Amino acid sequence: QQQVRQSPQSLTVWEGETAILNCSYENSAFDYFPWYQQFPGEGPALLIAIRSVSDKKEDGGFTIFFNKREKNLSLHIKDSQPGDSATYFCAASGNNYAQGLTFGLGTRVSVFP
Amino acid sequence: ETAVFQTPNYHVTQVGNEVSFNCKQTLGHDTMYWYKQDSKKLLKIMFSYNNKQLIVNETVPRRFSPQSSDKAHLNLRIKSVEPEDSAVYLCASSYWGDYAEQFFGPGTRLTVL
Repeated sequence: QQQVRQSPQSLTVWEGETAILNCSYENSAFDYFPWYQQFPGEGPALLIAIRSVSDKKEDGGFTIFFNKREKNLSLHIKDSQPGDSATYFCAASGNNYAQGLTFGLGTRVSVFP
Repeated sequence: ETAVFQTPNYHVTQVGNEVSFNCKQTLGHDTMYWYKQDSKKLLKIMFSYNNKQLIVNETVPRRFSPQSSDKAHLNLRIKSVEPEDSAVYLCASSYWGDYAEQFFGPGTRLTVL
């Protein structure tokens, strides 16, 4: 059973548009939610992260909106550029951080000029 | 350069052989991880390790074992590989503690024939 779910599987946007990626989770003990960006042939790289005490986090053109009651969050990529074309993973961890991160299956984003 | 380094990039082997992958981090972190990324891009934690404890994901077959010489190195050995072991193996590192960012290496792609 997938503990972290992402939608859509893939997303195509035009340059300049806002891409919206969704994530939901099952485990109420999760309290830290990083988003990772992965390009083909590379390892994932942390993009932005939020803790469950916050409902919004912004960093550059990336914003996370978090709804603890509904157990979901979304990543908004504002003014998307072709260089943002990548796979984006939502991940989660609880207070037993040593157990590592639980990842979703990712959303593949394609930005066309 | 400070980063997480993995060797080899690729490895092709036959069923039943033993393989070993190397991981080194120069970030000064005290905790290292191994993740498996399957053909559907799902990332799953296999091991978390620092000098105090090794945490093993209970779903990891016993033919997998981590090997550490110091806190900057965590290798992965697979005794007698199986076809389902074909995947990308990603090493990561972080500081030990809450909400610590995990930095990933580029991965080692294993193909088992």
